[in-house]
Amino acid sequence: NAGVTQTPKFRVLKTGQSMTLLCAQDMNHEYMYWYRQDPGMGLRLIHYSVGEGTTAKGEVPDGYNVSRLKKQNFLLGLESAAPSQTSVYFCASSYSAYGYTFGSGTRLTVV
Amino acid sequence: DQQVKQNSPSLSVQEGRISILNCDYTNSMFDYFLWYKKYPAEGPTFLISISSIKDKNEDGRFTVFLNKSAKHLSLHIVPSQPGDSAVYFCAASGGDYGGSQGNLIFGKGTKLSVKP
Repeated sequence: NAGVTQTPKFRVLKTGQSMTLLCAQDMNHEYMYWYRQDPGMGLRLIHYSVGEGTTAKGEVPDGYNVSRLKKQNFLLGLESAAPSQTSVYFCASSYSAYGYTFGSGTRLTVV
Repeated sequence: DQQVKQNSPSLSVQEGRISILNCDYTNSMFDYFLWYKKYPAEGPTFLISISSIKDKNEDGRFTVFLNKSAKHLSLHIVPSQPGDSAVYFCAASGGDYGGSQGNLIFGKGTKLSVKP
């Protein structure tokens, strides 16, 4: 029972490079989310999706894009990475507002 | 402006004693509150929740209390164990957040250390 799987777990990018973080869930959840966690800032919502083919902006969406082409996958893209995007990124999925399951995180460093 | 506040970044407690973690919120439309626990290098995991129609919910050693008039909730852990050492996040849903959108607003977290 994998739950929510995030790949990669670690990545170092140079400023200006692009990358995609993949989140996959096997629980048939409708809702999926991308959060970032920074020291002293807690978890902040970047983008979310309430179903296949839908996406919406969260609290801190600038510099990121997302896609949900398949129900089980939610992709987070950085088109031109900046040092301010150094963070730990968490994906989560849920069947409602109240049952989040988180992945184990992706630690991204932008140099 | 923070809508969910955890004003204590850290808390240290002796094993066997009670741990009390506090959370304040500003949005009176929030109607569901959750606590998540996070160990280093892992994702947060759900711990316990409470609906705004209740003032207490208990699950084993964990109890969450909600005081709607004060817009305050607290998590009590009794007795505290070294394995409880983790970061605890308070989260809220409702109003413009949650419902069909399913969004949670998280506090900044409190790091609990339980000393043997």
